[in-house]
Amino acid sequence: AQSVTQLDSHVSVSEGTPVLLRCNYSSSYSPSLFWYVQHPNKGLQLLLKYTSAATLVKGINGFEAEFKKSETSFHLTKPSAHMSDAAEYFCVVSVMNTGFQKLVFGTGTRLLVSP
Amino acid sequence: NAGVTQTPKFQVLKTGQSMTLQCAQDMNHEYMSWYRQDPGMGLRLIHYSVGAGITDQGEVPNGYNVSRSTTEDFPLRLLSAAPSQTSVYFCASSSGVNSPLHFGNGTRLTVT
Repeated sequence: AQSVTQLDSHVSVSEGTPVLLRCNYSSSYSPSLFWYVQHPNKGLQLLLKYTSAATLVKGINGFEAEFKKSETSFHLTKPSAHMSDAAEYFCVVSVMNTGFQKLVFGTGTRLLVSP
Repeated sequence: NAGVTQTPKFQVLKTGQSMTLQCAQDMNHEYMSWYRQDPGMGLRLIHYSVGAGITDQGEVPNGYNVSRSTTEDFPLRLLSAAPSQTSVYFCASSSGVNSPLHFGNGTRLTVT
């Protein structure tokens, strides 16, 4: 069965320092992987997605993620954190089932950014 | 563009009451789905639809009903609310199988 594990429930960084949010996946075939962001009291927004093209995926707001099959990882990074990046981030794997793309969500990582 | 609109934003119910969470999208998306979000558990799929007249169960469907009479609307019904249904509910839509989901802003439901 497909699943994702987000290794940190909370990550704290200072503004201007790098961000690393870790995600490992489990999939019996080549997966489609996503990162979504949720700001307080808002719905989720797609940051980026991997669908077996380039292994380094660039997303919005300066985020990127690298698909590493050998490590079954899809970590999210950003070179320099901004205060507005404070949010909850979800790593997601898709499962195709009867023509519908079901998404399996990780438990989330809350990113805290201090001045 | 309105995108995905959910109503109400907040709701408090007593055990055994029924209610409908509304979801509407104006993007002509075929795919729509309902998720619930609970602390420490991420989002879990309740029901989904691949087009008008077609619905199916997700990961946690018990206690919920859905219907899809139009492309735009996908209401979620709780027939007899239970405290275990206290959660934040999100509706989402997408234009295709590999297309990104567009989420509404959620409905926070408390069942006492």
